[in-house]
Amino acid sequence: DAGVTQSPTHLIKTRGQQVTLRCSPKSGHDTVSWYQQALGQGPQFIFQYYEEEERQRGNFPDRFSGHQFPNYSSELNVNALLLGDSALYLCASSSTGPGNQPQHFGDGTRLSIL
Amino acid sequence: AQSVSQHNHHVILSEAASLELGCNYSYGGTVNLFWYVQYPGQHLQLLLKYFSGDPLVKGIKGFEAEFIKSKFSFNLRKPSVQWSDTAEYFCAVDNQGGKLIFGQGTELSVKP
Repeated sequence: DAGVTQSPTHLIKTRGQQVTLRCSPKSGHDTVSWYQQALGQGPQFIFQYYEEEERQRGNFPDRFSGHQFPNYSSELNVNALLLGDSALYLCASSSTGPGNQPQHFGDGTRLSIL
Repeated sequence: AQSVSQHNHHVILSEAASLELGCNYSYGGTVNLFWYVQYPGQHLQLLLKYFSGDPLVKGIKGFEAEFIKSKFSFNLRKPSVQWSDTAEYFCAVDNQGGKLIFGQGTELSVKP
């Protein structure tokens, strides 16, 4: 049973560039959430996708956008990269099945901005 | 705005010592509560969760947590820690909308 997989594991970009991060949810999960974890901090919620729609959004600028595909996988896009975007980006998946379902996290993509 | 506060940034214990990590949240409505653990080089893993019912919840690896609604707290406990418990611990709150709000984490170092 595959867990949450993210790619790539590491990425180095320069200021002003654009980046796309990818996530495949755990088997049986249909909801994907993205988080940003700066060094020494807890993860911060970026947004959540369900049925290919953005369902909730955290306090992140429009430079951060996403997409969910029919197979439930998801992408996070960040435009006009800033130095402050350097962080670990985490994808989490969950199921909308009966009852509350906890989120399962991937290993993350480490994004470094030079 | 909702927030989660973890009181201890870094805790150092000897093996067999008891552990209690504090977590308080600010949100007046119904919440789901979680503790996640991140072992060195690994992804976040769910330790335990509270949705409803018995406020004392038991998780994996001998951890437990108590939800005290009147204090907006969800403290994590373990009677006797092991060296393998060395990790970072995150408390998180979900207002049942699926958006997790995390505390800033507590780094636990257990000396053998």
